[in-house]
Amino acid sequence: EPEVTQTPSHQVTQMGQEVILRCVPISNHLYFYWYRQILGQKVEFLVSFYNNEISEKSEIFDDQFSVERPDGSNFTLKIRSTKLEDSAMYFCASRGGDSYNEQFFGPGTRLTVL
Amino acid sequence: AQKVTQAQTEISVVEKEDVTLDCVYETRDTTYYLFWYKQPPSGELVFLIRRNSFDEQNEISGRYSWNFQKSTSSFNFTITASQVVDSAVYFCALSEKGGGNKLTFGTGTQLKVEL
Repeated sequence: EPEVTQTPSHQVTQMGQEVILRCVPISNHLYFYWYRQILGQKVEFLVSFYNNEISEKSEIFDDQFSVERPDGSNFTLKIRSTKLEDSAMYFCASRGGDSYNEQFFGPGTRLTVL
Repeated sequence: AQKVTQAQTEISVVEKEDVTLDCVYETRDTTYYLFWYKQPPSGELVFLIRRNSFDEQNEISGRYSWNFQKSTSSFNFTITASQVVDSAVYFCALSEKGGGNKLTFGTGTQLKVEL
């Protein structure tokens, strides 16, 4: 069964460093998302991506964040200069073309900023 | 703006008990979609069910059942004869067709099933 994959599973970084989180969505999906979950809290939407551009972003997704689909398979989230409060689990998700399709989530990347 | 409320923070039951997880939503769209996701201790988000706003038919799948009522903006989830493996955080989520289909999650309900 196809699945969304994410690497790395855990990333530890120093405050101020840049990190890139990687995702491989399900191959025939067209819509891609990033969410984050601070420990013990709810899952929050960051950004959606379709047709090689951002379709929507939340207020969390400020200038420090960027997304890219560098090739036909990878979907990346970059945090330019990490802060302590960026420590969270980051989930990538993808879905097929119809509005009602469910989003399938990857296993997440736990980001720890020291 | 879309909003999902899961008033139950934590529920503890004994194995084989039935348990219902509540979800209340708010939306201005006439077309929207409701979801339940399970997050076991391992941390991944597992899709359980989707419901469309124009389909109020309730559904049963094995030990799981869902009760969607537009009149009360509720989408409740019942586990029958709970098992220890059901222990997880359960999230209700909403997406609006007009909102780019991003998911808005509730705060989750931690379900603990004990022997």
